[in-house]
Amino acid sequence: GQQLNQSPQSMFIQEGEDVSMNCTSSSIFNTWLWYKQDPGEGPVLLIALYKAGELTSNGRLTAQFGITRKDSFLNISASIPSDVGIYFCAGPGATDSWGKLQFGAGTQVVVTP
Amino acid sequence: NAGVTQTPKFRVLKTGQSMTLLCAQDMNHEYMYWYRQDPGMGLRLIHYSVGEGTTAKGEVPDGYNVSRLKKQNFLLGLESAAPSQTSVYFCASSYRPNEKLFFGSGTQLSVL
Repeated sequence: GQQLNQSPQSMFIQEGEDVSMNCTSSSIFNTWLWYKQDPGEGPVLLIALYKAGELTSNGRLTAQFGITRKDSFLNISASIPSDVGIYFCAGPGATDSWGKLQFGAGTQVVVTP
Repeated sequence: NAGVTQTPKFRVLKTGQSMTLLCAQDMNHEYMYWYRQDPGMGLRLIHYSVGEGTTAKGEVPDGYNVSRLKKQNFLLGLESAAPSQTSVYFCASSYRPNEKLFFGSGTQLSVL
């Protein structure tokens, strides 16, 4: 079954606010990936993390690989309307056999003007 | 660049009917995947392929079959559709396993 817990499930924020979401796992992960899905489209990779403690930015997005290797965080600064969508964390568990990239259930972000 | 292309985008089936979802990628990726997306459950892996002529089961393979006759194509088949297979299906491909997947735009399937 799914081992990733992503929170919050949804967020309603005002334009200009910062957004934080996180993902926790019951097992150690070697890689953390953060994807965004726009309505009616497939997910698109935002940030990939490969080392415990790693902090990586992509424009207004910042993601961190937790030092315990069981969690990851994604922050969006100064949100804008196009940040609307579903954000997914994902990763291959260290103990999983190949091919089983696990996805969190997603965080739905709604940005109001 | 086309990337990953899925057809059709929408389909309605009656219980018991069969169909094939088509996926094509033009990035010369070895690895290809089929996922289904259901509300509140994220993406779940149905089947995957590590190269031309190979396929393997994912997390939820029952009721589905796949084929990878050509490197650029990965087909997902439903032999006898059931209402539980109503979902959005995504195909993806990657250069290396388990990272940086490129997704298609999805197929919305409804089984009545």
